[in-house]
Amino acid sequence: GIQVEQSPPDLILQEGANSTLRCNFSDSVNNLQWFHQNPWGQLINLFYIPSGTKQNGRLSATTVATERYSLLYISSSQTTDSGVYFCAVKNNAGNMLTFGGGTRLMVKP
Amino acid sequence: GAVVSQHPSWVICKSGTSVKIECRSLDFQATTMFWYRQFPKQSLMLMATSNEGSKATYEQGVEKDKFLINHASLTLSTLTVTSAHPEDSSFYICSAPSETSYEQYFGPGTRLTVT
Repeated sequence: GIQVEQSPPDLILQEGANSTLRCNFSDSVNNLQWFHQNPWGQLINLFYIPSGTKQNGRLSATTVATERYSLLYISSSQTTDSGVYFCAVKNNAGNMLTFGGGTRLMVKP
Repeated sequence: GAVVSQHPSWVICKSGTSVKIECRSLDFQATTMFWYRQFPKQSLMLMATSNEGSKATYEQGVEKDKFLINHASLTLSTLTVTSAHPEDSSFYICSAPSETSYEQYFGPGTRLTVT
């Protein structure tokens, strides 16, 4: 099946700093989503971005499908950005999403 | 956006009993739903695909007789953990695909603790 790797696995930032999270995948995809899992476990849909670039406030994402990676940018980080960020992808062979291992982010005040 | 709900949000049960978790798509129909399990500090792992009108498809290593899935309607799938054991304690999350794109929507999850 498709492999999904996220980096870094852990990240500690000072409030106000910027960061880039990376997601590499092993096959062509027709779906790529970024999620933020909050402390209660709920997955918050950040971006549906199988290709191209999108922005939503302080967050933006870019997927370069031909090179099989996606980047999530967080600017001017806030303590409420803390949590786990997951990348998940779906290829043409299956119906389900395959998740990466996640990036655990801690933003310190 | 589309909303997926789960019930209950948390449940505590005794070893040997069964627990049913419901997953509903509130404002769209889903012929397929997915059940994931997440252990502490780990990623989400797909357990099974729930199919309306037919049998569920289970991932390798998931016991179909232990995790019973019923896709009762186009908006409801249920996961029943039978004869629960403490090692079944986990966070269970369902999802459903959009009707118009490949995007998937996730429920808020159900935290199961088996004592």
